[in-house]
Amino acid sequence: NAGVMQNPRHLVRRRGQEARLRCSPMKGHSHVYWYRQLPEEGLKFMVYLQKENIIDESGMPKERFSAEFPKEGPSILRIQQVVRGDSAAYFCASSERTGSGTDTQYFGPGTRLTVL
Amino acid sequence: AQKITQTQPGMFVQEKEAVTLDCTYDTSDPSYGLFWYKQPSSGEMIFLIYQGSYDQQNATEGRYSLNFQKARKSANLVISASQLGDSAMYFCAMREPQGGSEKLVFGKGTKLTVNP
Repeated sequence: NAGVMQNPRHLVRRRGQEARLRCSPMKGHSHVYWYRQLPEEGLKFMVYLQKENIIDESGMPKERFSAEFPKEGPSILRIQQVVRGDSAAYFCASSERTGSGTDTQYFGPGTRLTVL
Repeated sequence: AQKITQTQPGMFVQEKEAVTLDCTYDTSDPSYGLFWYKQPSSGEMIFLIYQGSYDQQNATEGRYSLNFQKARKSANLVISASQLGDSAMYFCAMREPQGGSEKLVFGKGTKLTVNP
């Protein structure tokens, strides 16, 4: 009964490198959300995806950040040319989207990104 | 404008006592959902309880209950019989299904400390 899986749990990158964060939703869930949490802050929405579709990317920075959720495999959040300000915890959540109005988002354990 | 306000940065409670964590929200949408999540020091986000805007009854889940006052736009979390393991950050969140997206908007959180 696996929950939302994220890997890696911790990621260290030097400025200018690329970071790839992976998220496998809960079994039966077809909707994925990415959030970012800065230290001492609440979570901030980044992007909402369904299989092969980006539904809402209103929270994504315009440059260097991209996300995908392919037909097969996990969802990927990609950060190119990382900067120190990208250091944060990145959480993935998934939901079933039954249309019942009670679609709870269940979160993964997060990936802690540190940019040196 | 702040959509979710948690006015208590930190709260203390004695073990076995009840505690209320405040949350007020702002929306003009008649259909919305309110969520509480717990984030222990290990960092994961744990779903606690959900309240829909059309729900007639206050939500309850074990020792957690939600004091939903729609006219006041408040959705306070009540934890009864506090346990040491309840010490954590607690986040209130709201979902507004605008334009098909179901992103969550989070408050800044309340740090709860349960004293023995």
